[in-house]
Amino acid sequence: DGGITQSPKYLFRKEGQNVTLSCEQNLNHDAMYWYRQDPGQGLRLIYYSQIVNDFQKGDIAEGYSVSREKKESFPLTVTSAQKNPTAFYLCASRTGTTMTFDSPLHFGNGTRLTVT
Amino acid sequence: SQKIEQNSEALNIQEGKTATLTCNYTNYSPAYLQWYRQDPGRGPVFLLLIRENEKEKRKERLKVTFDTTLKQSLFHITASQPADSATYLCALDTLYSGGGADGLTFGKGTHLIIQP
Repeated sequence: DGGITQSPKYLFRKEGQNVTLSCEQNLNHDAMYWYRQDPGQGLRLIYYSQIVNDFQKGDIAEGYSVSREKKESFPLTVTSAQKNPTAFYLCASRTGTTMTFDSPLHFGNGTRLTVT
Repeated sequence: SQKIEQNSEALNIQEGKTATLTCNYTNYSPAYLQWYRQDPGRGPVFLLLIRENEKEKRKERLKVTFDTTLKQSLFHITASQPADSATYLCALDTLYSGGGADGLTFGKGTHLIIQP
């Protein structure tokens, strides 16, 4: 079945450590996104990539980094510079051509990161 | 920037009745609007998309309306069932609403509870 896989489901880290969240898709989608969700908050866009080897900052990119070396993969690194890293992280993808800008997002089932 | 308001309080509905959820937005009129369902600990799942030139869209027991004059979308679930209990998110396009970045802007969601 086609879809988006995020791993791991739960992740625990000590403060000051960098951590990388995995996101893989087999939907052949061009565009991929990372969102952060906190209790009582809407989803907030961290980074997005419309094509391989290119990515753009979203609304809350500080303290995060990404790479897009392959079409199917878009890993997110939460660095020690992120002040409040504990959150639920969601990866999404969609067909990214300008002719299908209204295509829906397909989400993974998230990674819950806890930093202590 | 675009702001989206959804009723953040939980909505309790008796089984069999119609549930109506509201999404209000400010500033730019979006080219389209999407509704998603999110279950606890899972990623959102796309339900319906409605374009600015469409007044109404239906899918089985779901109906979405879009009033660009009122800057509002209504999401209806008819003959509601306990399995419909979830959080429902409204989302607007960002790039084509003057936001400058790709992706969708999400509301905080409304938690719907269908009581047997």
